[in-house]
Amino acid sequence: GAGVSQSPRYKVTKRGQDVTLRCDPISSHATLYWYQQALGQGPEFLTYFNYEAQPDKSGLPSDRFSAERPEGSISTLTIQRTEQRDSAMYRCASSLGTGNEQFFGPGTRLTVL
Amino acid sequence: AQTVTQSQPEMSVQEAETVTLSCTYDTSESDYYLFWYKQPPSRQMILVIRQEAYKQQNATENRFSVNFQKAAKSFSLKISDSQLGDAAMYFCAYRSLYGGSQGNLIFGKGTKLSVKP
Repeated sequence: GAGVSQSPRYKVTKRGQDVTLRCDPISSHATLYWYQQALGQGPEFLTYFNYEAQPDKSGLPSDRFSAERPEGSISTLTIQRTEQRDSAMYRCASSLGTGNEQFFGPGTRLTVL
Repeated sequence: AQTVTQSQPEMSVQEAETVTLSCTYDTSESDYYLFWYKQPPSRQMILVIRQEAYKQQNATENRFSVNFQKAAKSFSLKISDSQLGDAAMYFCAYRSLYGGSQGNLIFGKGTKLSVKP
C-alpha cells in the first residue's frame, strides 16, 4: 500500500481477553517494527521483523505478547490475557531495511478495562 | 544501552517567535542517527528532521534546524517563526548506525509544545 496501515484504530477489551492487532506495511518494505507508547511517554521498541524472520523479541514485556509475520508482509501482534497495564498506543513502522527511514502507521489505541 | 532524555515536559512559544527544544542522549557508539519526530493531536508520527552523527554540519529543514553537539551528546531542535500548526508533542530519537543493528528507534519522553496566537 501507499502507507502503513493498522487495524483496528481503537480497541476496548476486558481484562483477561486476548487481542490481536494488525499492521499492513508499505509493500516494498522488508523491515517491520512494533512499538508500545504508554500515555505521556515516547514509543518503546517491542520487536521487529526482517521479512518473516523475527531476530529480536527482547522488547516484548512478557510472554503474553507475541508477534508474527508469516509471509513477510502483514504482521500481527497478539496480547493474551490482557491486563490494565497493557493499555497503550501500539505503533507499527516499516522501512526498506534496518538502516532506512521508518514510516509509522496511525497506531492502535488499546484500552483494557 | 543507549538512552535519550528530554528534560522539558512542556514548552510554550508565541506565534512567529523562536523556540528551542532540548535533547541529550547517552551512547558509547561513535556513529549513529538522531531524529526529531512530531506527534500532533492526530497522534500520527511525523519525521521532522534527522542528523547523521558523522556529519559536522547541522541539519536544516525549512523553519526547523538542529544544534548538534556530539561531544556534549546534545541535540536540540530550533523552530523559527512558530506557527499554530507546530503545536504538538516532539520526540527526540536515537538509532544506531552499525552494520547488523536492528535499527530500532530509542525515544525520549517527549516535549509538549504549545503555540500561543
